Amino acid sequence: GAGVSQTPSNKVTEKGKYVELRCDPISGHTALYWYRQSLGQGPEFLIYFQGTGAADDSGLPNDRFFAVRPEGSVSTLKIQRTERGDSAVYLCASSFGATNTEAFFGQGTRLTVV
Amino acid sequence: GENVEQHPSTLSVQEGDSAVIKCTYSDSASNYFPWYKQELGKGPQLIIDIRSNVGEKKDQRIAVTLNKTAKHFSLHITETQPEDSAVYFCAASKSSNTGKLIFGQGTTLQVKP
Repeated sequence: GAGVSQTPSNKVTEKGKYVELRCDPISGHTALYWYRQSLGQGPEFLIYFQGTGAADDSGLPNDRFFAVRPEGSVSTLKIQRTERGDSAVYLCASSFGATNTEAFFGQGTRLTVV
Repeated sequence: GENVEQHPSTLSVQEGDSAVIKCTYSDSASNYFPWYKQELGKGPQLIIDIRSNVGEKKDQRIAVTLNKTAKHFSLHITETQPEDSAVYFCAASKSSNTGKLIFGQGTTLQVKP
């Protein structure tokens, strides 16, 4: 398919463990965004990449959260020392550029920390 | 900080009736306002958007209105159908980075056949 792809769809991990969530954006999209959506809430912005660089990481809640996009395509969101409060759906979106373009969302990764 | 308030949180209508969802935003610099539909287990999908240089936009059964002075915008769905049942989110951003969105809390729309 040509949409934004996120893997895995579901991830269950134990408190204190490290997890990686992957996002494959739409081919050719230079802008990539990570959002977190808690149950019954709207998505909350975490971080924005333009190409390979993190242009805006103002939404990352603390230093346990980190994201990379080494080749300007696939991105990985990394969470260290997971806590139960990290349980949420993590959404990735991409767009052709950052200005005046639609953001397309993936289906999300549901992370459960037990 | 920047905030988007959305009402109502739940809305139940009879098939064929209209549905209206309202949002207000706090950042006067916002100038791009998309609406997303999210079905269970899926990511949000854009259904319509409006920019601040336009007061109203229509696409078949869906319309959006914007009042910049009051910082209000609304989604109108006419002739609702059961397949319109979903969670709807309004959002706001700036044209300099339209993907960095502030979302409302969502409205669960139920259309009864």
